[in-house]
Amino acid sequence: GNSVTQMEGPVTLSEEAFLTINCTYTATGYPSLFWYVQYPGEGLQLLLKATKADDKGSNKGFEATYRKETTSFHLEKGSVQVSDSAVYFCALSPLEGGKLIFGQGTELSVKP
Amino acid sequence: KAGVTQTPRYLIKTRGQQVTLSCSPISGHRSVSWYQQTPGQGLQFLFEYFSETQRNKGNFPGRFSGRQFSNSRSEMNVSTLELGDSALYLCASSGWGSGDEVGNEQFFGPGTRLTVL
Repeated sequence: GNSVTQMEGPVTLSEEAFLTINCTYTATGYPSLFWYVQYPGEGLQLLLKATKADDKGSNKGFEATYRKETTSFHLEKGSVQVSDSAVYFCALSPLEGGKLIFGQGTELSVKP
Repeated sequence: KAGVTQTPRYLIKTRGQQVTLSCSPISGHRSVSWYQQTPGQGLQFLFEYFSETQRNKGNFPGRFSGRQFSNSRSEMNVSTLELGDSALYLCASSGWGSGDEVGNEQFFGPGTRLTVL
């Protein structure tokens, strides 16, 4: 079946540190892959996406590359800010569409 | 475009009662999905509606049901509430199946926080 596995949190970093949040998936075929972010008390916001192998999604300094050979979609940012503190979710959309399958979420805390 | 809206934002019910939550998708989106978010189980897919038909369903008991209206607005209903139904219920809309595929990018509302006492 389809599933997503994320590195466990919480992750605590100092401002301007480098961020990596690992995400691997299991799926039939080539699903679309997403990173969503959730700030306290809010719904989910799409951070970035990739719809085919070797695509790189990027937004607000965050990047992730769709790696078919390693079934991974790791999230990276070169220099985090306090405002990046949130919970990050990796998700996949199966080929048939209509739903998202999420990882368990990784809480990021950035200290000044 | 206006985003996805959900009403109410907060709800308190007691065990055994039923509840109805509402979701208005982004204009032009015909696909509406519902998710349950809890600290223990994370984000779990409930069901998806497209053009008034349930197109996908997750692994939830029959107490959880939904519907979609001709204007794409959707409601979900939970009957005979249990303590474990306390959660944040998120609605998302997508252009999937409407010619706006974009890899099934879903846009989420702020959620309805349901507390069952």
